[in-house]
Amino acid sequence: DAGVTQSPTHLIKTRGQQVTLRCSPKSGHDTVSWYQQALGQGPQFIFQYYEEEERQRGNFPDRFSGHQFPNYSSELNVNALLLGDSALYLCASSLTHTPRYFGPGTRLLVL
Amino acid sequence: AQTVTQSQPEMSVQEAETVTLSCTYDTSESDYYLFWYKQPPSRQMILVIRQEAYKQQNATENRFSVNFQKAAKSFSLKISDSQLGDAAMYFCAYRSAYLDKIIFGKGTRLHILP
Repeated sequence: DAGVTQSPTHLIKTRGQQVTLRCSPKSGHDTVSWYQQALGQGPQFIFQYYEEEERQRGNFPDRFSGHQFPNYSSELNVNALLLGDSALYLCASSLTHTPRYFGPGTRLLVL
Repeated sequence: AQTVTQSQPEMSVQEAETVTLSCTYDTSESDYYLFWYKQPPSRQMILVIRQEAYKQQNATENRFSVNFQKAAKSFSLKISDSQLGDAAMYFCAYRSAYLDKIIFGKGTRLHILP
């Protein structure tokens, strides 16, 4: 079992660009949550997907959007990138509300 | 709004010794869950231990145990017989029983001295 996988591992973008991050949940898991972890901080909840719908959202602007596919994999899209969007983006999967398994993250750098 | 505070940015412990990481939280809710997550240099966050607020008994997982003081809103993690592999960032986290989002503290970096 590969666990939670994320791609790409690293990404460099410039301000104003758009980015798509991908997550495959652990086998058998149907719920995917996304978190943003700025340097030196704890992760902050972006949103959660279940049954292909956004179930809950944190305090993030509409520039952050997502999608969940029938195979439970998920994408996080960020439009009009700002320097402050530079962070580690973590995906977590679960069968319940509590994410037990996180992916290794995607490190996004916005220049 | 709920908050989680970890007042120790860094800690060090000798291998095989015991260390306690502190965490306090603030909430007006009575039904919630508390967690400790470990994030090693590989960046992969791992759930170490969880505690349901309605349970008075402190959770334990092998060498890891918690001291849950609901009235004081305190939730410390004790690591016994520290091992080199325990070196990591440790995050205390809170989740309401009614919402899915998890609120994390800023973390405590734990160093294990050989």
